Amino acid sequence: AQSVTQLDSQVPVFEEAPVELRCNYSSSVSVYLFWYVQYPNQGLQLLLKYLSGSTLVKGINGFEAEFNKSQTSFHLRKPSVHISDTAEYFCAVTPWGDYKLSFGAGTTVTVRA
Amino acid sequence: NAGVTQTPKFQVLKTGQSMTLQCAQDMNHNSMYWYRQDPGMGLRLIYYSASEGTTDKGEVPNGYNVSRLNKREFSLRLESAAPSQTSVYFCASSDPYGLQSVTKREQYFGPGTRLTVT
Repeated sequence: AQSVTQLDSQVPVFEEAPVELRCNYSSSVSVYLFWYVQYPNQGLQLLLKYLSGSTLVKGINGFEAEFNKSQTSFHLRKPSVHISDTAEYFCAVTPWGDYKLSFGAGTTVTVRA
Repeated sequence: NAGVTQTPKFQVLKTGQSMTLQCAQDMNHNSMYWYRQDPGMGLRLIYYSASEGTTDKGEVPNGYNVSRLNKREFSLRLESAAPSQTSVYFCASSDPYGLQSVTKREQYFGPGTRLTVT
């Protein structure tokens, strides 16, 4: 079985400042990794995913994440946030050979002017 | 393409009432899923359907039933609603073994149904 821990439940940040959202996972097998974003009162939208290859993954809206196998982490970063980045962010994993996702508890990012 | 659609958007039930949440996708995906979202708990899988004609329990199946009506549609039924089932419900679909590597493993989500049981 696998599990996902998002280390921060709430992250307040000022506009144009950088942000990092931390995600650690545990699994006995290799996994695929995802970050999803949920804007207020909407469904989830994929930001980026790591399947294989380069450990630095770039996604939509200027976000990127780095897969670190030795630390079992997949942290999400953005160098300069906008008010429109206010949302809840979810890290998720699925083992190779499976397709069901396990989600973290989510991190709420609030961007202030 | 509409993607994944869900009805209704909002619902209020009294304890003991029953209802069915509807979900449809137009992406020709084989796999479909029902999740519930509760504050501080992320999304938890209720039931899933790997392909048309099959359904399996997820992490939190108690109190729910599902039907995979055809390849497009996957419904979730609450037979006797309880206040503990107050939640936001999301349907999702994916084509996990599809040929398009860009969309491989990605789940596409509907807009959600906000259910309150009083």
